[in-house]
Amino acid sequence: GDSVTQMEGPVTLSEEAFLTINCTYTATGYPSLFWYVQYPGEGLQLLLKATKADDKGSNKGFEATYRKETTSFHLEKGSVQVSDSAVYFCALRPNQAGTALIFGKGTTLSVSS
Amino acid sequence: DAGVIQSPRHEVTEMGQEVTLRCKLISGHNSLFWYRQTMMRGLELLIYFNNNVPIDDSGMPEDRFSAKMPNASFSTLKIQPSEPRDSAVYFCASSLSSGPYDTQYFGPGTRLTVL
Repeated sequence: GDSVTQMEGPVTLSEEAFLTINCTYTATGYPSLFWYVQYPGEGLQLLLKATKADDKGSNKGFEATYRKETTSFHLEKGSVQVSDSAVYFCALRPNQAGTALIFGKGTTLSVSS
Repeated sequence: DAGVIQSPRHEVTEMGQEVTLRCKLISGHNSLFWYRQTMMRGLELLIYFNNNVPIDDSGMPEDRFSAKMPNASFSTLKIQPSEPRDSAVYFCASSLSSGPYDTQYFGPGTRLTVL
């Protein structure tokens, strides 16, 4: 079945460092891809999404490009801040009606000043 | 827009008691999802409704769990009887439709502790 694999954390960075969180997927067809972020004690919030190959989703300085050839959707940010400390979830939604999101296990990011 | 509303935010109960979690969808949304989050298993889809009809309940752990949508904007998840292994954070999410491109919007979650 369809699945999402994320790099395991925690990822610990200093402020202003470059961030990459790897995400690969297995799916038939062309799923939509999402990154969600969960701040401590809160629900998940959509960070960015891409719905077709070569699309780039971006928000708040974060970017991810839908790479069909490598079945990847890696999350990047050029300069992280302490406020970016959170759990990041990669997810896919199969390209058919009536399906729910399939999530990766999440990657914890901790940024120190 | 108020977003997805869940209540209660925290629930502590004793084993064997009935627990009811509540969720109000974003106005105009017609798809509703219940998830459970634990450290061991991550985020698991429990059940998914579209237009008040359950579409996929394969993630519901066992008969102790039941979910309903009595109307288009409200859902309940009931656990009866509750067990300590049900302790988790339960999220509901809604989306505009069941289309593959639609974003799911999550509520703040209910943290359930079963003693």
